[in-house]
Amino acid sequence: DSGVTQTPKHLITATGQRVTLRCSPRSGDLSVYWYQQSLDQGLQFLIQYYNGEERAKGNILERFSAQQFPDLHSELNLSSLELGDSALYFCASSVATSNEQFFGPGTRLTVL
Amino acid sequence: AQSVTQLGSHVSVSEGALVLLRCNYSSSVPPYLFWYVQYPNQGLQLLLKYTSAATLVKGINGFEAEFKKSETSFHLTKPSAHMSDAAEYFCAVSAPPTGNMLTFGGGTRLMVKP
Repeated sequence: DSGVTQTPKHLITATGQRVTLRCSPRSGDLSVYWYQQSLDQGLQFLIQYYNGEERAKGNILERFSAQQFPDLHSELNLSSLELGDSALYFCASSVATSNEQFFGPGTRLTVL
Repeated sequence: AQSVTQLGSHVSVSEGALVLLRCNYSSSVPPYLFWYVQYPNQGLQLLLKYTSAATLVKGINGFEAEFKKSETSFHLTKPSAHMSDAAEYFCAVSAPPTGNMLTFGGGTRLMVKP
């Protein structure tokens, strides 16, 4: 158990819908990262937050957004969902100055 | 920008045999390198990391990796495979100016035959 929690574990929804994925980092970790794992694209970095502020952006679609709240949990919002958005979404966390990231168990999103 | 190439999307070894999973990276600045393992229906677990200290890095579960700058490689090895090693393995790199974001290779699925 990495100490990073993600909810829900599974999510099934329809095209055009909007969903929110939630992540709680390890106690004391200020950075949160979101990654997408799909068969087509592999593991891709989406976005990083540090202590509530956006720190880095990767291959994140405009239909996707994220935020980190004062209690350091983070949410990834996916809207206008398409079939191709079906994937595993991982959250990871790290302490401020460490490159070592701890991954949560992931949320499996299925868009029908 | 950095990139990672893992040679061989599938590797099959017999139980007790040497495990060798290959990783080559590209980075214009000194990188940090990582190996992660993913068991079915689970998240990624860090096996080991290179952060510019010793070039031979020992990790969990008997795995180790050697950083070779001249070959831009960071291959993962284990002297004797166990059935429990069957999983997918990912090599990853992070480096300035992208900061802590990880760039992953395509992954190698390790199969262990009895």
